[in-house]
Amino acid sequence: AQSVAQPEDQVNVAEGNPLTVKCTYSVSGNPYLFWYVQYPNRGLQFLLKYITGDNLVKGSYGFEAEFNKSQTSFHLKKPSALVSDSALYFCAVRDRNSGAGSYQLTFGKGTKLSVIP
Amino acid sequence: KAGVTQTPRYLIKTRGQQVTLSCSPISGHRSVSWYQQTPGQGLQFLFEYFSETQRNKGNFPGRFSGRQFSNSRSEMNVSTLELGDSALYLCASSLSRDKSYEQYFGPGTRLTVT
Repeated sequence: AQSVAQPEDQVNVAEGNPLTVKCTYSVSGNPYLFWYVQYPNRGLQFLLKYITGDNLVKGSYGFEAEFNKSQTSFHLKKPSALVSDSALYFCAVRDRNSGAGSYQLTFGKGTKLSVIP
Repeated sequence: KAGVTQTPRYLIKTRGQQVTLSCSPISGHRSVSWYQQTPGQGLQFLFEYFSETQRNKGNFPGRFSGRQFSNSRSEMNVSTLELGDSALYLCASSLSRDKSYEQYFGPGTRLTVT
C-alpha cells in the first residue's frame, strides 16, 4: 500500500524568508510524486511533480521540490515566501508498480502554510 | 481551455435523501476521478472512470456510485445520505491513465447533510 506523511500540520514563516513544507512517502516500488495547493473554498491546484531524472523539480509560482530516494522524501521549497503563498499544501504519491490501488493518488493530510507579513 | 467544472457548488440535503453531483472535465481529458475531502479524514479517493468504465474504487460503501458518459462528463450519486457524508466532493480530470500525468481539480461541491 502507498502512503504519504506530512509531519507538520502548520508551518509559519515570515515574508521574504525561505519556506519548506515536508513530505515523506511509502511505496512498494518507485514513486511518482506531486504537490498541490488549495486556497480557501477552492479546489486543488497542481504545483509540480517528480517523474524521473533530476532530483530538483521546479514548478509554478517559484516553488521547487527535492526528491530524496534514500530518505523517501519530497520536500516543497521556496527561496522567498510571499503572503499570497498562505494556503493548504498537499503532497501526493502514486506507485509506478502495478497493483491494487496503485493508480489512485494518495494524499497526505495537508500542511497549512501561513506567511506572516 | 476551460477548467474542470462541478455543479452544483453547494448543496444542503436531509438524512436519508439522495444526491447527484456533476463534473465536466477539461476538454480532451478522458479520465475522471472523484475524491471526498473532510477535516478529519483529509482527501480520500472515491473512484475513477475512463471510457465510461469504472477502473478503480476506493474504500467507500455501495451508497456511493458514479458513472461516466461518452463525452467524458461524470456524475456521482450518494444514496441514503448520512450526516457523515457532509464534505467537499472534488472531481479531477487527467489526459490519460498514465500514472505520471497530473490531475486537474474542479472547485468542488460542498455537501451539507442535516
